[in-house]
Amino acid sequence: AQSVTQLGSHVSVSEGALVLLRCNYSSSVPPYLFWYVQYPNQGLQLLLKYTSAATLVKGINGFEAEFKKSETSFHLTKPSAHMSDAAEYFCAVSNSGYSTLTFGKGTMLLVSP
Amino acid sequence: DAGITQSPRHKVTETGTPVTLRCHQTENHRYMYWYRQDPGHGLRLIHYSYGVKDTDKGEVSDGYSVSRSKTEDFLLTLESATSSQTSVYFCAISDGSKGQPQHFGDGTRLSIL
Repeated sequence: AQSVTQLGSHVSVSEGALVLLRCNYSSSVPPYLFWYVQYPNQGLQLLLKYTSAATLVKGINGFEAEFKKSETSFHLTKPSAHMSDAAEYFCAVSNSGYSTLTFGKGTMLLVSP
Repeated sequence: DAGITQSPRHKVTETGTPVTLRCHQTENHRYMYWYRQDPGHGLRLIHYSYGVKDTDKGEVSDGYSVSRSKTEDFLLTLESATSSQTSVYFCAISDGSKGQPQHFGDGTRLSIL
């Protein structure tokens, strides 16, 4: 069975600071990995995805994530936080034939001025 | 944005009443999914469909049923709603290709009193 662990239900940063959101996965086969963002009262929006083409994946809004097989990690980073980045972020893994996703419990990113 | 419409967007009902949520897509995608989102649990898969009349259970399927009579519509039914089913429900779609992400609707907020 596959699973996802997101360390930290809340992460607080100052505007302009580095953003680091952690995601570790378990999977018996090479995984596909995704980061989604959810703004209040909205659905989930895809930030980026890893599908084995490259270990460093760039996404929208300046976010990127690095796939590290040895650490079973797929942490999300952004060099400089903006107020508009405040949202909840979800990491997800897929490796089944029906493209079902298993989500982590989410990390709320708080950005202070 | 992917053409996904969920209806209703908000609903308040009483324990024991039947409830049906609708997901409509205009992308002609083969796969459709229903999730529920609860604080501290992330998103959990209820049921999914991999074609017309082809459905399967997810992680939290007890108390829910689904139907898909045509490609564009996926219905989620709570036969006899309980307070534990108060949640935000999201529909998602995918073309099913490996590594392709799911795209989400805006959600239905369901309150059962």
